[in-house]
Amino acid sequence: QKEVEQDPGPLSVPEGAIVSLNCTYSNSAFQYFMWYRQYSRKGPELLMYTYSSGNKEDGRFTAQVDKSSKYISLFIRDSQPSDSATYLCAMSATSGSRLTFGEGTQLTVNP
Amino acid sequence: DTAVSQTPKYLVTQMGNDKSIKCEQNLGHDTMYWYKQDSKKFLKIMFSYNNKELIINETVPNRFSPKSPDKAHLNLHINSLELGDSAVYFCASSQYGTEPDGYTFGSGTRLTVV
Repeated sequence: QKEVEQDPGPLSVPEGAIVSLNCTYSNSAFQYFMWYRQYSRKGPELLMYTYSSGNKEDGRFTAQVDKSSKYISLFIRDSQPSDSATYLCAMSATSGSRLTFGEGTQLTVNP
Repeated sequence: DTAVSQTPKYLVTQMGNDKSIKCEQNLGHDTMYWYKQDSKKFLKIMFSYNNKELIINETVPNRFSPKSPDKAHLNLHINSLELGDSAVYFCASSQYGTEPDGYTFGSGTRLTVV
């Protein structure tokens, strides 16, 4: 069983839709929860991160962590074609420890 | 530009060959990493160096040997290449203890073994 599970998709939505991306994990030591965005033929870039449980909002993006359920989510409001990319969740136990990635979800936002 | 840069971007080679990938960062970070991303986009850490010292060494075949001449460079040498080594290899860097802020990936080296 993988430490981090993520539905690889692909996920296709119309422009303006609300997108929900999710990951589950098994390692209760994880404290940092990250979302990376990876455009085709590019390296992953950090979108946002949350420490421990709770919500974090940044513009159209909201990250949620539920440690009791070992479940994290990324919501994208008013999705745009420029949001089309692969979204990877990642987790670590401490700042400086290794990142464990999910498989990535491929998202396409259609104009 | 401040960045993590990898060379080459593309590498096509025959089975059995030996090849190297180079990585340089000018962000002043003290920790560098090599990740492998397979065809399903699954990204997995291979090695990590902090101030030129190996701190993470995942279960990777001995054919893979990283080398860090200084904290701004981390190279990856692969001996006796196999078909299964085909993947995208990403270098990354960070300032240890401040992650995930500043954790920066390069654009990747797409290795194809034929």
